[in-house]
Amino acid sequence: DAKTTQPNSMESNEEEPVHLPCNHSTISGTDYIHWYRQLPSQGPEYVIHGLTSNVNNRMASLAIAEDRKSSTLILHRATLRDAAVYYCILRDLGAGNMLTFGGGTRLMVKP
Amino acid sequence: KAGVTQTPRYLIKTRGQQVTLSCSPISGHRSVSWYQQTPGQGLQFLFEYFSETQRNKGNFPGRFSGRQFSNSRSEMNVSTLELGDSALYLCASSLTGGHGYTFGSGTRLTVV
Repeated sequence: DAKTTQPNSMESNEEEPVHLPCNHSTISGTDYIHWYRQLPSQGPEYVIHGLTSNVNNRMASLAIAEDRKSSTLILHRATLRDAAVYYCILRDLGAGNMLTFGGGTRLMVKP
Repeated sequence: KAGVTQTPRYLIKTRGQQVTLSCSPISGHRSVSWYQQTPGQGLQFLFEYFSETQRNKGNFPGRFSGRQFSNSRSEMNVSTLELGDSALYLCASSLTGGHGYTFGSGTRLTVV
């Protein structure tokens, strides 16, 4: 699987937008970009996924660079409940149904 | 709707013993995957089952095995437990194994 690079940790203030970056310079044309998050003492939770175009859902937005070598997960207004480890994962659906997790970004939200 | 249910939540076993963990997926989901999470290695894929067949397997020794029943419920078994098997074991289900897996809260296994 192609590899992703994320900052180890980020801080945000409550009620402010958060931009979580992910670099994936070796992404292939069939790799989908997935984001999951893991809250303390819970299993990972699906957030969003995309292939080429920007995507929005009730939880977040995903902005994908035109060359697809990077992407950004956007939380529009961070709350204390958004404090979690966020994982950016590349998935080639034709290469097997598994998620390859990296180290993720630990997001801390300050009140 | 009910989420992914894993039992038990906590387990303490002795080295050399074996253990069986259970996972009930979301109703209608036919794909069940298992992951191991440790502080040192992070989240690692164990195996995936779909319609009672193992479709994918991660890089774990043969002591780790699993199965899926006709109702999609899955079990994983670890034999001859080692201290290093202490971890959070997570189960995830999806309709067919594509986008959007739903994870359970995991079973915390401690081997002493």
